[in-house]
Amino acid sequence: AQTVTQSQPEMSVQEAETVTLSCTYDTSESDYYLFWYKQPPSRQMILVIRQEAYKQQNATENRFSVNFQKAAKSFSLKISDSQLGDAAMYFCAYRRRGSTLGRLYFGRGTQLTVWP
Amino acid sequence: GAGVSQTPSNKVTEKGKYVELRCDPISGHTALYWYRQSLGQGPEFLIYFQGTGAADDSGLPNDRFFAVRPEGSVSTLKIQRTERGDSAVYLCASRANGLGADTQYFGPGTRLTVL
Repeated sequence: AQTVTQSQPEMSVQEAETVTLSCTYDTSESDYYLFWYKQPPSRQMILVIRQEAYKQQNATENRFSVNFQKAAKSFSLKISDSQLGDAAMYFCAYRRRGSTLGRLYFGRGTQLTVWP
Repeated sequence: GAGVSQTPSNKVTEKGKYVELRCDPISGHTALYWYRQSLGQGPEFLIYFQGTGAADDSGLPNDRFFAVRPEGSVSTLKIQRTERGDSAVYLCASRANGLGADTQYFGPGTRLTVL
């Protein structure tokens, strides 16, 4: 079974600083996708970044980047130059590749606070 | 609108009542998912539709939960004889089909409160 673990229930960062959110996962599959979603108080889940397991290069989207360590089954999110609008709940998620079903498996989330 | 929409935004009901939650996916998206998010938890999968058929309903907790998507677009999640433990945010997501269509786009959810 696939499980996703986020060991940091809460994190905080000063505006303009950098913060890293941790995620580990367990799978016997070799090909899969990993995602980070952001959920502000509005409840809307917003995709932040995605990574395909077969790609060795870490994904980057503007101020957001990941550190994907496939052997360690680790997928951390780095937010650079943090902004007040980054404050939200962040969820790490896993999905098998090549599956026609495609359900996402989520971690329990990390609540990020950004201080001015 | 361009995104996934869900109605109602909030629903308060009494224990034992029947409720329906609606999801309107992104136009053209053939895949549709329902998730349930309890307080302090990540979303948990309920059911997945490909077109009109439920391709995977293994996440439905019991037979009080049922979902339909009769025309392959709008979906309705139905909960019979609601219980207090059903209180949660119900999220819907849709995904395009085809190669490279890997991202699920979520709606704002329906917060269900069972008194």
